[in-house]
Amino acid sequence: EVQLVESGGGLVQPGGSLRLSCAASGFTFSSYWMSWVRQAPGKGLEWVANIKEDGSEKYHVDSVKGRFTISRDNAKNSLYLHMNSLRAEDTAVYYCARGRPPIGSYYVSHFDYWGQGTLVTVSS
Amino acid sequence: QTVVTQEPSFSVSPGGTVTLTCGLSSGSVSTTYYPSWYQQTPGQAPRTLIYSINTRSSGVPDRFSGSILGSKAALTITGAQADDESHYYCVLYMGSGIVAFGGGTKLTVL
Repeated sequence: EVQLVESGGGLVQPGGSLRLSCAASGFTFSSYWMSWVRQAPGKGLEWVANIKEDGSEKYHVDSVKGRFTISRDNAKNSLYLHMNSLRAEDTAVYYCARGRPPIGSYYVSHFDYWGQGTLVTVSS
Repeated sequence: QTVVTQEPSFSVSPGGTVTLTCGLSSGSVSTTYYPSWYQQTPGQAPRTLIYSINTRSSGVPDRFSGSILGSKAALTITGAQADDESHYYCVLYMGSGIVAFGGGTKLTVL
């Protein structure tokens, strides 16, 4: 059974840093793209970042470029989101998701499994 | 910057059929956008319904179907049930490794 379990959320002051983790199990982690998706309170879903199976390619939404970095450790079956210079508008539930390309294609086009999310609150 | 658009809300009667759409603020949705659809109830993680336009995810009942209708991607629910009352989000592949969510549609079954 595929399982994705996020951790690391909490309350942080504006300008602060946080590292989110996602522990994966039930599949060969190193064979899949992975992603982060977030949802601000009462708002819709927003894609944050994708990372290739071997970590060699990373893509981030414009609003977090230069502040957030997605990474992974395949030996530990873990995905990470390093968040710096946090702003109030980064307050959200952050979901870890397994990203999938379409058959015969390369880049992530959809997500097939999701974690339960971890809440990040940026406030003074 | 191109925005992915969805109806903010929709309602359907129990047993009825409803089609939700996913478009672009500029241009048309084609197969190369590989539209996918997700269902989310309050306090829960999203659930994947449809990917690559019309492929149902494992365990999703066949009353959920995806398509391209005109210039938009579409999610059709046939024989709506009370527990279909949820938020529905589409995702489009925008190129260069980037994907984007629509703003979501709140579906009411009444």
